[in-house]
Amino acid sequence: KQEVTQIPAALSVPEGENLVLNCSFTDSAIYNLQWFRQDPGKGLTSLLLIQSSQREQTSGRLNASLDKSSGRSTLYIAASQPGDSATYLCAVRGTTSGTYKYIFGTGTRLKVLA
Amino acid sequence: DGGITQSPKYLFRKEGQNVTLSCEQNLNHDAMYWYRQDPGQGLRLIYYSQIVNDFQKGDIAEGYSVSREKKESFPLTVTSAQKNPTAFYLCASSIAHRPERTYNSPLHFGNGTRLTVT
Repeated sequence: KQEVTQIPAALSVPEGENLVLNCSFTDSAIYNLQWFRQDPGKGLTSLLLIQSSQREQTSGRLNASLDKSSGRSTLYIAASQPGDSATYLCAVRGTTSGTYKYIFGTGTRLKVLA
Repeated sequence: DGGITQSPKYLFRKEGQNVTLSCEQNLNHDAMYWYRQDPGQGLRLIYYSQIVNDFQKGDIAEGYSVSREKKESFPLTVTSAQKNPTAFYLCASSIAHRPERTYNSPLHFGNGTRLTVT
């Protein structure tokens, strides 16, 4: 059974710092992995989607990498800003019928201090 | 702009009452999902629908019911049988449930409904 873990659960950093958020999963038979951002009381916004055949995806100051064989993904945020403060969640999607649903981690709550 | 609309944003009900949460999408997506989010837990899948007039139970379907009479709409009813209904409910959609049809297409979410039952 797929399990997704995000460590740390919470992180505080000063503005301008580069930071890495971690996501690990137990079953490497994934179709893709998505990173989401969630602001308090809001829904999830998709940040990056990495297919299993890809190693990384970039969007602006965000870079997500995927190492399927080791069951790990990282989300790198460059030059962090207070507006980046939010909870970041990762989710993986399986490859076989019955596992197509996304499995979510519990998220990392990020606070960027001005 | 295309998106998913959930209403209402906040909902208060007395124990023993059924309540229906609305989810409408104009993204022309075939697949729609309902998730429940509780503090300290990942999102848990309640029900999903791959196509109109079809839906399947997710991991925590007990005490919930859904319908999919139109492509755009996937309402969720929280019944009195649900033991702990107070939670944040999120509706999502994607082009399709089968992943080979969704290459590089992300899962889209609405802004959620916070249900409080007392």
